[in-house]
Amino acid sequence: EVQLVESGGGLVQPGGSLRLSCAASGFTLSRHWMYWVRQAPGKGLVWVSRINSDGSSTSYADSVKGRFTISRDNAKNTLYLQMNSLRAEDTAVYYCARVGGFGELCWGQGTLVTVSS
Amino acid sequence: DIVMTQSPDSLAVSLGERATINCKSSQSVLYRSNNVNQLAWYQQKPGQPPKLLIYWASTRESGVPDRFSGSGSGTDFTLTISSLQAEDVAIYYCQQYYSIPITFGQGTRLEIK
Repeated sequence: EVQLVESGGGLVQPGGSLRLSCAASGFTLSRHWMYWVRQAPGKGLVWVSRINSDGSSTSYADSVKGRFTISRDNAKNTLYLQMNSLRAEDTAVYYCARVGGFGELCWGQGTLVTVSS
Repeated sequence: DIVMTQSPDSLAVSLGERATINCKSSQSVLYRSNNVNQLAWYQQKPGQPPKLLIYWASTRESGVPDRFSGSGSGTDFTLTISSLQAEDVAIYYCQQYYSIPITFGQGTRLEIK
């Protein structure tokens, strides 16, 4: 069974940092592109970042470019999102998602990040 | 970026009746090389992650009830629930994966009338 389990969320002050992790099981992580998608409370889904299968290529939403870094360790079956210079508007549930062979997404349960003083 | 616009924002339908949700993209999401629309539909219930219903605009994900169907091509798409069940109460999102950044519609909230 495909499983994606996010961790690392929590309460952080503005300007602070967090590192999210996404542990993958039930499939071979190295064969898939991966995304981070976030959802602010009561709002819709917004793509944050993507990484290709071997980690050699990444992309970011303009809103996080220069502050967030996506990475992966295929040997550990884990995806990461390093988030620096956090702002109140970064408050959201962060989902990792596996890109399937047809472009479809398989989602983790999400981890809540709250940026507040 | 491709802008995805759903209509309506919210919808109330009686049990057993048909529900129709529309999604329009600001540019075509049809890959000419294989004539496949890069469009998916997701269902999200409170406190849960999105669940894939439809990909390639009209292909139902394994395990999804056949009352859910997708149609459309190019820039105009529709998700239809043929006979609404109580468990279908949720927010529905369309999403294009034609280009990065992938983008989502704003969501349509479906309720029971």
